[in-house]
Amino acid sequence: EAQVTQNPRYLITVTGKKLTVTCSQNMNHEYMSWYRQDPGLGLRQIYYSMNVEVTDKGDVPEGYKVSRKEKRNFPLILESPSPNQTSLYFCASRAWDLRAGKLFFGSGTQLSVL
Amino acid sequence: SQQGEEDPQALSIQEGENATMNCSYKTSINNLQWYRQNSGRGLVHLILIRSNEREKHSGRLRVTLDTSKKSSSLLITASRAADTASYFCATDARSGGGADGLTFGKGTHLIIQP
Repeated sequence: EAQVTQNPRYLITVTGKKLTVTCSQNMNHEYMSWYRQDPGLGLRQIYYSMNVEVTDKGDVPEGYKVSRKEKRNFPLILESPSPNQTSLYFCASRAWDLRAGKLFFGSGTQLSVL
Repeated sequence: SQQGEEDPQALSIQEGENATMNCSYKTSINNLQWYRQNSGRGLVHLILIRSNEREKHSGRLRVTLDTSKKSSSLLITASRAADTASYFCATDARSGGGADGLTFGKGTHLIIQP
């Protein structure tokens, strides 16, 4: 089954404690992206990657890191989380084809930073 | 950067009625997509309409696109309780060689009353 898998589904942590949210897709997609969703602000893009070893900033990259060492994986790293990073996070992927813009989303990670 | 803006923010109708949501955007696009999100879950792609198309159907969904007015509408006919969700439009404004992804609006929350 084609899917994007995110882990964990829920995460509670404390300020400053490094964490990683994993994302994996099994569709051989070139493009992967991270979004955060906050009430009243909709979805905002954090980082995206067009292919292995190619990453770029989205609209709200501050406080986040990503890496793309393998095509299927695109982890999101918070080196020193802060309470304003409490949010619902989504990973998504799609084929890099101008005619196939459909994004596949993971189930989300609800992060709380205390 | 915000591109699409949905209207209304929230909509409550009776089961069996039709639901119409609108999306306005600011810049030229390659395509426009609609997604559905059930509470706290990942977004699911509904339909994609390209900039050279004016109308598209998929089951009970009908999407229109007016590029002169930079607007789109999503019509759900014969609504069901299971249609209760948030609906997002997303614009794909990539130009040749560009690397930007989709830009999402803030969504319309649709409630279907039994």
